[in-house]
Amino acid sequence: NAGVTQTPKFQVLKTGQSMTLQCAQDMNHEYMSWYRQDPGMGLRLIHYSVGAGITDQGEVPNGYNVSRSTTEDFPLRLLSAAPSQTSVYFCASGSEGGRGYTFGSGTRLTVV
Amino acid sequence: GDSVTQMEGPVTLSEEAFLTINCTYTATGYPSLFWYVQYPGEGLQLLLKATKADDKGSNKGFEATYRKETTSFHLEKGSVQVSDSAVYFCALSDNNAGKSTFGDGTTLTVKP
Repeated sequence: NAGVTQTPKFQVLKTGQSMTLQCAQDMNHEYMSWYRQDPGMGLRLIHYSVGAGITDQGEVPNGYNVSRSTTEDFPLRLLSAAPSQTSVYFCASGSEGGRGYTFGSGTRLTVV
Repeated sequence: GDSVTQMEGPVTLSEEAFLTINCTYTATGYPSLFWYVQYPGEGLQLLLKATKADDKGSNKGFEATYRKETTSFHLEKGSVQVSDSAVYFCALSDNNAGKSTFGDGTTLTVKP
């Protein structure tokens, strides 16, 4: 099993550009989430989904969009990149029942 | 809302020392509790979990007990190794909400 696959691993954007961070899982998990990790601030939830067609906002949703058309994929779109969005982004998937989450290896994004 | 508070780091120990990383939580209902570990340049990995009061999670010599009366889930290891150097995150999850809340992380460095 590949687990959770995130692409790209590294990306540099100019202010105002848009892009999509890809996330795919092959474990048939219902739940998927996007987090950003910044120094000294732990992980902050951006958006999450409890199943195909269902998404909701997390703690820091502004500037990001998501959709979940299939169980496997949960892309994160940056609409107009800003330097404040420079961060490491992690996608995670899990299922109900308190089993915990499986994380991808992250995307390191720099906005200049 | 739900929250997780971890002891502030960084923590520096000598090899074979005893480790405790404190974690307390605030949540409605009866969440599941987790410890994740993150090695440099990688995503988070589930280390151990507990789904109900008085459960003890354990893995790789690490242990944590779900204490409902003190709303705590402290991580312990009797004898740390250099290879345990990493960032440790405490987290909780409402089993049916599809998302997790993380602490800010505690950086552990173990010196030979």
